[in-house]
Amino acid sequence: QKEVEQDPGPLSVPEGAIVSLNCTYSNSAFQYFMWYRQYSRKGPELLMYTYSSGNKEDGRFTAQVDKSSKYISLFIRDSQPSDSATYLCAMGDMNRDDKIIFGKGTRLHILP
Amino acid sequence: DAGVTQSPTHLIKTRGQQVTLRCSPKSGHDTVSWYQQALGQGPQFIFQYYEEEERQRGNFPDRFSGHQFPNYSSELNVNALLLGDSALYLCASSFVGQGTNEQFFGPGTRLTVL
Repeated sequence: QKEVEQDPGPLSVPEGAIVSLNCTYSNSAFQYFMWYRQYSRKGPELLMYTYSSGNKEDGRFTAQVDKSSKYISLFIRDSQPSDSATYLCAMGDMNRDDKIIFGKGTRLHILP
Repeated sequence: DAGVTQSPTHLIKTRGQQVTLRCSPKSGHDTVSWYQQALGQGPQFIFQYYEEEERQRGNFPDRFSGHQFPNYSSELNVNALLLGDSALYLCASSFVGQGTNEQFFGPGTRLTVL
């Protein structure tokens, strides 16, 4: 079993819809969780960083962490064509080491 | 405020050659991590440098080596290139004193090995 599982998609949704992106993980030692957005042939851009279970909101983005289920989500409200990109979840354990483990990424297409 | 910069943008090499990639961290950051991203995959951790020392290393062979300079910039060296080394190489920087591991990525260097 991989440490981090993420559906690669592609996921296509109409403009204005709510997007839900998810990752599951197997290592209960993971303490912090991140979501990155990566446009084609560009470096990943940090969107959200969370350190505890629960929700964190930033503009149209909400990150949700459920440590008991080892499940994290990113919700995008009022999706725009400019949100079309690959979304990578990432996580790590600062007590063990600082290596960040990434999911494979989900390709998202917002249809105008 | 300059973000993370990497050079060169693209590079084409042949098998067996050696390559050096460069990274300048975001202003105020002291830690540099290197990742390899194959097409359609998430980034894979290569190693991390802090205070000019390799701090952590992922599952990459010794052909992959690095260096960090006093100004916190870093180099990634790959010897005896293989076709499978073709990938996007990403540098990420962070600040140890922040107490988190928020890492900010550069645009990457795309390496093609023929």
